[in-house]
Amino acid sequence: GAGVSQSPSNKVTEKGKDVELRCDPISGHTALYWYRQRLGQGLEFLIYFQGNSAPDKSGLPSDRFSAERTGESVSTLTIQRTQQEDSAVYLCASSLAQGGGSPLHFGNGTRLTVT
Amino acid sequence: KNQVEQSPQSLIILEGKNCTLQCNYTVSPFSNLRWYKQDTGRGPVSLTIMTFSENTKSNGRYTATLDADTKQSSLHITASQLSDSASYICVVLAGNNRLAFGKGNQVVVIP
Repeated sequence: GAGVSQSPSNKVTEKGKDVELRCDPISGHTALYWYRQRLGQGLEFLIYFQGNSAPDKSGLPSDRFSAERTGESVSTLTIQRTQQEDSAVYLCASSLAQGGGSPLHFGNGTRLTVT
Repeated sequence: KNQVEQSPQSLIILEGKNCTLQCNYTVSPFSNLRWYKQDTGRGPVSLTIMTFSENTKSNGRYTATLDADTKQSSLHITASQLSDSASYICVVLAGNNRLAFGKGNQVVVIP
């Protein structure tokens, strides 16, 4: 379909390993967001990309987390030296424009389990 | 303190019954408010959006209300169905284009 696609859908990794999560936004959507959702908790903002502007990284919890996006295409979220506390669902969303009347379109997330 | 508070945290309702979910926010300045539905294992999906001047908006059996003076919104589900079992998330867009998320209302509809 034409929705936001995230891969992998599930990832189990050992503590200390690096992981890379991928997000394919809806074509034409200039805004892209990454969120973290721990079990039973609300969405926690991580990072936001808008076109070619500098990303808003204010939500990244530590320097082990980083994300990239080339233009208005695919984004990757990288977590280095994973810890058990990183276990969560990582959700990606895209929208036509920043804020305003454009809804966020979410992918189904990547469920990360760190053992 | 979270800028968006939702209540009740969870509720169980019988199929066919109505329910109302509450969202109180302190976000200022206010731009708009959205309700999202998140099915288990899926990403949230937008149900309604309300701006400052709108008091009520419907989407099928879902009706959202907004009182911008008291900074309260509600989502009313009419004639609930089993497929309504989900988490309902209130999201407020501030004037600085920052999104504030509530933790969600977990609804379970039982036959």
